Amino acid sequence: KAGVTQTPRYLIKTRGQQVTLSCSPISGHRSVSWYQQTPGQGLQFLFEYFSETQRNKGNFPGRFSGRQFSNSRSEMNVSTLELGDSALYLCASSAGQQNTGELFFGEGSRLTVL
Amino acid sequence: LAKTTQPISMDSYEGQEVNITCSHNNIATNDYITWYQQFPSQGPRFIIQGYKTKVTNEVASLFIPADRKSSTLSLPRVSLSDTAVYYCLVGDKLDSSYKLIFGSGTRLLVRP
Repeated sequence: KAGVTQTPRYLIKTRGQQVTLSCSPISGHRSVSWYQQTPGQGLQFLFEYFSETQRNKGNFPGRFSGRQFSNSRSEMNVSTLELGDSALYLCASSAGQQNTGELFFGEGSRLTVL
Repeated sequence: LAKTTQPISMDSYEGQEVNITCSHNNIATNDYITWYQQFPSQGPRFIIQGYKTKVTNEVASLFIPADRKSSTLSLPRVSLSDTAVYYCLVGDKLDSSYKLIFGSGTRLLVRP
């Protein structure tokens, strides 16, 4: 069974640009959640999608958005990038509810904003 | 608001048992406690999950007291490959939104 795949693995952007990250969950998993990881703030929950609907959302500004497609693949977008958006963005998939069972994480997309 | 607290770092030696405690004073009544392990440049990996008392699997045990305000991850006979960051994870439900709260992580160093 293939794991969670995130693309791209690394990318560099400049302030003011926007970025789109992609996540392909494990086959059969309908829940995809996104996290931002930085040395200063640790792992922070961004949002979760289930069956193409945003089910839960963390405390991030509206510049951070996401969507999920009918095949459960998900994308997240960050607009008007700021230096502080430099981070490892992780996606996780699960079969059902967020915290009742195992989250399977991808290896992440490392974003650097210059 | 749920908040988790873990020690920043711990040192151990190969073959020893390591216990990492996480406090989560405001855990919701019906929420689970989950622990993850993370190596550099990788996503976190599930270790164990529990609701109350004790849970054991092939790699770890999880002890949860009756009040569920803390949990202890126990790693028996650690090896060098257990050097990693360990996170506890609980959920927080505010209004109609549910979000997962990761602890700040405990960096475990296993020495030969």
